[in-house]
Amino acid sequence: KAGVTQTPRYLIKTRGQQVTLSCSPISGHRSVSWYQQTPGQGLQFLFEYFSETQRNKGNFPGRFSGRQFSNSRSEMNVSTLELGDSALYLCASSTTGRGTGELFFGEGSRLTVL
Amino acid sequence: GNSVTQMEGPVTLSEEAFLTINCTYTATGYPSLFWYVQYPGEGLQLLLKATKADDKGSNKGFEATYRKETTSFHLEKGSVQVSDSAVYFCAQNSGGSNYKLTFGKGTLLTVNP
Repeated sequence: KAGVTQTPRYLIKTRGQQVTLSCSPISGHRSVSWYQQTPGQGLQFLFEYFSETQRNKGNFPGRFSGRQFSNSRSEMNVSTLELGDSALYLCASSTTGRGTGELFFGEGSRLTVL
Repeated sequence: GNSVTQMEGPVTLSEEAFLTINCTYTATGYPSLFWYVQYPGEGLQLLLKATKADDKGSNKGFEATYRKETTSFHLEKGSVQVSDSAVYFCAQNSGGSNYKLTFGKGTLLTVNP
């Protein structure tokens, strides 16, 4: 069974640009969540999607957005990039997002903003 | 709000040494508690979990007990191996979801042969 796949794995952008990251969840998983990982702040929850609907959102500015498609694949977008957006962006999937089932993480997309 | 505090790293041990990584939490209600591990260049993997007070989670020789009275979930292993070198994250969930986790800052463990 294929794991969670994130693309691209690495990317470099400059301030003011925008970026789109993609996540393909494990087959059959309908919940996709996104996290930002930085050395200073650690892992922080961005948002979660289930059946193409955003169910929950973390404390990030509106420049951070996402969506989910009917095949459960998800994208997140960051507009007007700032230096502080440099981070590892992790996607995770689970079957329903409820209860205490395991959350499966991808390897992440490492974004560097210059 | 909810938070997780875990011991600062890095932690460096010799093979076969005893490991403890402390983790405490603050929460409203009764969260489930998790330990995730991140090996170099990989995503996070669930190591173990406990869903209620006094539960003990265990996996791969690691153990952690949910202590409600001390709001703790310390990770232990009796004899570490070089292959255990990784970053360990303590986490709690909120609101009955498993996707919105509050993580500790992570503890880097290096095990030397």
